[in-house]
Parts: sequence; structure tokens; C-alpha cells
Amino acid sequence: EPEVTQTPSHQVTQMGQEVILRCVPISNHLYFYWYRQILGQKVEFLVSFYNNEISEKSEIFDDQFSVERPDGSNFTLKIRSTKLEDSAMYFCASKEKTGANTGELFFGEGSRLTVL
Amino acid sequence: DQQVKQNSPSLSVQEGRISILNCDYTNSMFDYFLWYKKYPAEGPTFLISISSIKDKNEDGRFTVFLNKSAKHLSLHIVPSQPGDSAVYFCAATTGAGSYQLTFGKGTKLSVIP
Repeated sequence: EPEVTQTPSHQVTQMGQEVILRCVPISNHLYFYWYRQILGQKVEFLVSFYNNEISEKSEIFDDQFSVERPDGSNFTLKIRSTKLEDSAMYFCASKEKTGANTGELFFGEGSRLTVL
Repeated sequence: DQQVKQNSPSLSVQEGRISILNCDYTNSMFDYFLWYKKYPAEGPTFLISISSIKDKNEDGRFTVFLNKSAKHLSLHIVPSQPGDSAVYFCAATTGAGSYQLTFGKGTKLSVIP
């Protein structure tokens, strides 16, 4: 069964350091997403990406965050200068394009980021 | 800002009985609703969905009911099995734009053998 894969599974970094989280979405999917879940809180939308550009982003996704799809398969989330409050589980998700705007998002297993 | 609310953080049910997980929403623009199941150290896994034009959708042991006037949906699992023990998230989307999901905080279901 096709799946979304994420690396690394866990990253520990010092505050102020740059972090790149990587995702390989399901191959025929066209919509890509990053969500995050701070421990004990709900899963929150960060950004959606379609046709090589950001289609929507939340207020969490400030100038410290960026996404790109450099090679047509990987989808990356970069945090330029990490803060303590960036510590969370980051989930990548993808969705195939359907005629109607419905259908499920497929999530990866997540990358746990710990900022010290 | 809790547009999707799951007011029960946890629920315990005996194996074989029915599990009912509830979800309320406030945004009347939501028109598509999904339930995801999450095990520890894994990503959310899609379970079942329902469009706002329906009031019920069934898939095996899982049934989702939608009451649009009350802005309420529920997930019924019958019969409940120990493997169903997980955190269940209700999610909703307006179906417009990029199809971002708004999640509830989740309900941890424990099915007791």
C-alpha cells in the first residue's frame, strides 16, 4: 500500500539552528501539506502546497518557515531559526486531486522535533 | 479558536459493546467531515468521512452520523474491539481552496477485553 514517508523520525536541535524535515508523498498525489501537533494539543494545519507553490498557510507558518519540492518527489519543511515552542510532531500529508474537493489526506508517521 | 470540539478526552468501553465518539463544530462553512484514528508514534489514519449532504455513512463496523442543524457528528463503532484502542480525531473542511483540515483535540478510546 502506498504511504507517505518522513525523515528524520526524531531530531533534536539547539534553539536558533536551522532544521529541515523531509517527506516523500504518495507518488500520484498532487496536494501536499504540513501539520504539527504540540504535545497534548490538537493537530494544526501549517501549510498546503499545490502546483509548486503555497496555496494556503496558517498564522503559525511565519517567515521562519518555508517549504519546497526541490526534485519532484521530496517535499521539505524548513525552519530557519528554531524556537523552543517549535518542539512538536510534524506530520506531512498528501492528497490526490479529485474532481470534487473531498477525499482523505494520507499522513506520514511524523517527525518529532525537540528544540533545546 | 475551537472550531471543532471533542469534549470527551477519553472513553472506556467493554469489548463487544458500542463506542460512541462525539464531535461538535461551530463553522457553518464546513461541509465535509472526517474521522482519523491515531496510534502512538504513528500518523493519523483515515477512518471514515461524510459529506454535508448526507446524514449517515457506514463502513463495516464504523458509522458516522451527521446532524447539521445541531452542528454535531458522531462516530459509532460496533462491536468494539481491543485493536480499536487509539486516539480518534474528528476533522472538518470547507472543501474549498486547498482543502485544509481543522482537527478536534481527539478522544482516547480504550476498549477493555
